[in-house]
Amino acid sequence: NAGVTQTPKFRILKIGQSMTLQCTQDMNHNYMYWYRQDPGMGLKLIYYSVGAGITDKGEVPNGYNVSRSTTEDFPLRLELAAPSQTSVYFCASKSRVENRGRREAFFGQGTRLTVV
Amino acid sequence: EDKVVQSPLSLVVHEGDTVTLNCSYEVTNFRSLLWYKQEKKAPTFLFMLTSSGIEKKSGRLSSILDKKELFSILNITATQTGDSAVYLCAVEAWGLNSGGSNYKLTFGKGTLLTVNP
Repeated sequence: NAGVTQTPKFRILKIGQSMTLQCTQDMNHNYMYWYRQDPGMGLKLIYYSVGAGITDKGEVPNGYNVSRSTTEDFPLRLELAAPSQTSVYFCASKSRVENRGRREAFFGQGTRLTVV
Repeated sequence: EDKVVQSPLSLVVHEGDTVTLNCSYEVTNFRSLLWYKQEKKAPTFLFMLTSSGIEKKSGRLSSILDKKELFSILNITATQTGDSAVYLCAVEAWGLNSGGSNYKLTFGKGTLLTVNP
């Protein structure tokens, strides 16, 4: 059971370049999330999705785009990368229903992105 | 806008000490509060709390929720150096968006706990 898989683990981008962070989960979870975590800070929600074909903005969506064509995949697109997007990005997924009193979000291992 | 505030932001203790980490929240349509531990990688789940006054316990860690005061605490007794980490509090709340009604997960900034030998 792979859980939540994010790729790549590390990436350096030049200002103005674009890239897609991949996220896939094999737990058939309805909810998926993208967070960014800056040094010494908590997680800030970028975008989230409650199911295939449905996405919504979180707290800090500017400069990012997402799509959810399947239940499993939730890629995050950066267009025109800026130094302010240097951060660690986490993808997470969560079930809509409880399982033995638990309904936590499962996280990928993160992508460390540096924009220079 | 949903808010989750953790305190203190950082804490340094000696092995064997007991610590209490705080999490307060302001959300509409609360569903649950979750605690995570984050070392130098992805957060790992500790507890999920939905009911007031019921303590969740796992070894030296315990947590309790007060829905009236919109507050939760995470206690760690007899701390060890392996407890050094960032502890994150997150609140799940019901909301309306383009997908209909659903749940959003909002995190606090975390508490950095350092346990010295």
